[in-house]
Amino acid sequence: DQQVKQNSPSLSVQEGRISILNCDYTNSMFDYFLWYKKYPAEGPTFLISISSIKDKNEDGRFTVFLNKSAKHLSLHIVPSQPGDSAVYFCAAGGNRDDKIIFGKGTRLHILP
Amino acid sequence: GAGVSQSPSNKVTEKGKDVELRCDPISGHTALYWYRQSLGQGLEFLIYFQGNSAPDKSGLPSDRFSAERTGGSVSTLTIQRTQQEDSAVYLCASSLVAAGAAYEQYFGPGTRLTVT
Repeated sequence: DQQVKQNSPSLSVQEGRISILNCDYTNSMFDYFLWYKKYPAEGPTFLISISSIKDKNEDGRFTVFLNKSAKHLSLHIVPSQPGDSAVYFCAAGGNRDDKIIFGKGTRLHILP
Repeated sequence: GAGVSQSPSNKVTEKGKDVELRCDPISGHTALYWYRQSLGQGLEFLIYFQGNSAPDKSGLPSDRFSAERTGGSVSTLTIQRTQQEDSAVYLCASSLVAAGAAYEQYFGPGTRLTVT
């Protein structure tokens, strides 16, 4: 039973436009959410996070939105750049637990 | 380098053999995690260390899998009697703290294990 779901295996976006990656979760005990980015043959790198007390966190071109009632979060990248082409993993954890649960990832292609 | 390192980067082994994968975390990081990424799958949690102890081994798929950490630093993941379904990329991550605080984990490049 997947607790963190990324339903889109891949997404293609024109350079300069907005990329929106979506993530759903089922465990209401999750209170901390993260996005990681992964290039081929490299380990994932931390991108941005949000705690459940917020509904938005922004860092440069990256913004994460959290909708607790819908158990949904999304990552917005604007404007999208070629270097953003990668696999993006959504992850969630609880402050009373030691591990975070990852989704299966969404492969983002930025088209020239 | 200051990052997490893993060795070997690639390992091809015959079914039934034992393999040992190594992780060197970032110096000073107390928490260490092992994950597995099979083809088309997300990152599957295997085991977590806080110092040298493993409070959570719940992700280990079977008793053929074991891990240890010595000196609060290097960790080894051992897979005995490897099976073809063990083929995956094994990722190690470390972080300064674990539960209740910073979740930012720093990942190594992974070890790609192929069991033939």
